[in-house]
Order: sequence, then C-alpha cells, then structure tokens
Amino acid sequence: DQQVKQNSPSLSVQEGRISILNCDYTNSMFDYFLWYKKYPAEGPTFLISISSIKDKNEDGRFTVFLNKSAKHLSLHIVPSQPGDSAVYFCAASRGYNFNKFYFGSGTKLNVKP
Amino acid sequence: NAGVTQTPKFRVLKTGQSMTLLCAQDMNHEYMYWYRQDPGMGLRLIHYSVGEGTTAKGEVPDGYNVSRLKKQNFLLGLESAAPSQTSVYFCASSYPFGGADYQPQHFGDGTRLSIL
Repeated sequence: DQQVKQNSPSLSVQEGRISILNCDYTNSMFDYFLWYKKYPAEGPTFLISISSIKDKNEDGRFTVFLNKSAKHLSLHIVPSQPGDSAVYFCAASRGYNFNKFYFGSGTKLNVKP
Repeated sequence: NAGVTQTPKFRVLKTGQSMTLLCAQDMNHEYMYWYRQDPGMGLRLIHYSVGEGTTAKGEVPDGYNVSRLKKQNFLLGLESAAPSQTSVYFCASSYPFGGADYQPQHFGDGTRLSIL
C-alpha cells in the first residue's frame, strides 16, 4: 500500500502560468518531504525540500507548501517554463531518517510554449 | 564531471541467470543507494550503504544482494533473476546526514533490466 500518492499522472500548463503539483501521504509520522525532478533517460535530480516544522519553503520559482492536518503537500512553479517539462516525484521520510524515503509515482508536467 | 555512473545501461537476462550492476561515484560520497522504479510506482529502496564495508536493507531487498568493498563503488547482484525483477534500477549517492540537515541524493541515469 503506497504511503505517498500522486493522484495526477499528468498535468499540462501554458508557459508563464503557474504549475501546481500535488502529493498526499497517509503516514502522520512523516516529517520530512522532498521533490525530485526527472527528465527522460536521466536520473532524478533534487529540487526542494521541507521539514514538518515549516509550512512553506521557497527556492526561486519553486515553492513547496505543506498542510500537515490534511497530509498534503504541493509544489508550485511560477512562472512555468518549457524546460520544466519533466516527471516530478514527491517523497517523504519519518524521524529524519533520510536513508529511507517513500516516493510517489510521479506527475508528468508538460509546459506548452 | 562524471557524478554517478551506472553500468550497464541496458541488459536482457533469462530467468535464472545472475548478474551484477555496478555503480561508481566520484564525489567522495559516504552514502550510496540502490532503487528500482516500476511503471505506475515511485522509486523503491532496495539496499543502501552508509560507508565502505556496510550495507543495510531497504523497502524491497528480497532477491538482491549488495556489496560496498570500496567507498566509490556499490554493487547490486541478482543471483537468480526472475521476471518480477524487470525494472529500471537507479543508483544514488550522498554526503552523510547530520541531524535535520538533508543532503540531496545524486542519481545515476539508470539501468534498464528485462528478464525473460
């Protein structure tokens, strides 16, 4: 049973608009969360992280929001660019055990020029 | 700038055959990991290592063995391949973690393994 779920397999957005990728988790003990980005035929690359002591973390065009009561996190990309087209994975860990992350199945983002 | 290199990139095996996947990193990372990715699922941790000579089980370790004889290399072995092990395998490495200070994992480009 997947503890981290990304229920939207794909998302299409116009260049310049906001992309919102969503992630839900079931384990209330998760306390650290990540987003990774993956291009075809390449390995994932780290994008941004957030600890459960925060509800928001920003890095340039990327912002991650955490809603602990809803067990939900989201990644906002503003403005979206064609180069952002990739598969985005969210992941969660428990007890700051960074050696064991549980990954979602990914959302494929297509940013149209 | 090699980073994390996985060998081979593709392989087709017959059921019951054995093989070893090699992961090499040149970033002097202490920690190394093996994941598998299957369609419709996220990455799942197979085994990991927190230093030379150490290994530990991840989420899906059955059917796999690993060795970390040298700091820069992490080997994943399939002793008797099964069709259920058809997957894309990713190796990753990172610096050690300290408290709440996450160190991103750097991934290789993957090995696509098909078992007939």
